[in-house]
Amino acid sequence: GQQVMQIPQYQHVQEGEDFTTYCNSSTTLSNIQWYKQRPGGHPVFLIQLVKSGEVKKQKRLTFQFGEAKKNSSLHITATQTTDVGTYFCATTGGSYIPTFGRGTSLIVHP
Amino acid sequence: GAGVSQSPRYKVAKRGQDVALRCDPISGHVSLFWYQQALGQGPEFLTYFQNEAQLDKSGLPSDRFFAERPEGSVSTLKIQRTQQEDSAVYLCASSLVGDSHTYTQYFGPGTRLTVL
Repeated sequence: GQQVMQIPQYQHVQEGEDFTTYCNSSTTLSNIQWYKQRPGGHPVFLIQLVKSGEVKKQKRLTFQFGEAKKNSSLHITATQTTDVGTYFCATTGGSYIPTFGRGTSLIVHP
Repeated sequence: GAGVSQSPRYKVAKRGQDVALRCDPISGHVSLFWYQQALGQGPEFLTYFQNEAQLDKSGLPSDRFFAERPEGSVSTLKIQRTQQEDSAVYLCASSLVGDSHTYTQYFGPGTRLTVL
């Protein structure tokens, strides 16, 4: 199946700073999903992107799908302590089975 | 409405014991997935059901792992003769029938299995 690599693995920020996590693939992706998992919690679906160059926003979160559909990013503006957690990207590669990245753990210092 | 529920939330087993993990999906959700999540990793696909049919079990790590969903709702993941490497969080997720462009998965809280 398709593989996705996420960077960075960890990110420490001061509250109020911005945060970005990247998801990369060597092959063209049919879609990208983003999930958030709070410490001790379970993954929660955030969004799905399917179109080349697509950009979607959810309040302070901005999601992008690259023009070549080989990468995606999640950007959080002015982080808050409630943003703490691990952000995963995943792709189904044209089937119904998602392959998850290793995730980026966001630590926000107040 | 109620989300996906899993039981037990925590399970400690001695090596060699059999365990059964239960998943109650969201009512009406046709698709059901099982994942294994090791510490610091993303969820790894184990198996997939559409109604009662197990359409894909390619992620099951060995023949000690068995999953069923006999009536197309509740599902059970059974692990026989547990080994220490089976220690992980087992996540269940359900979704409406969807193709690669339209599905959204709803995850349960997971069962944390520790094999001693």
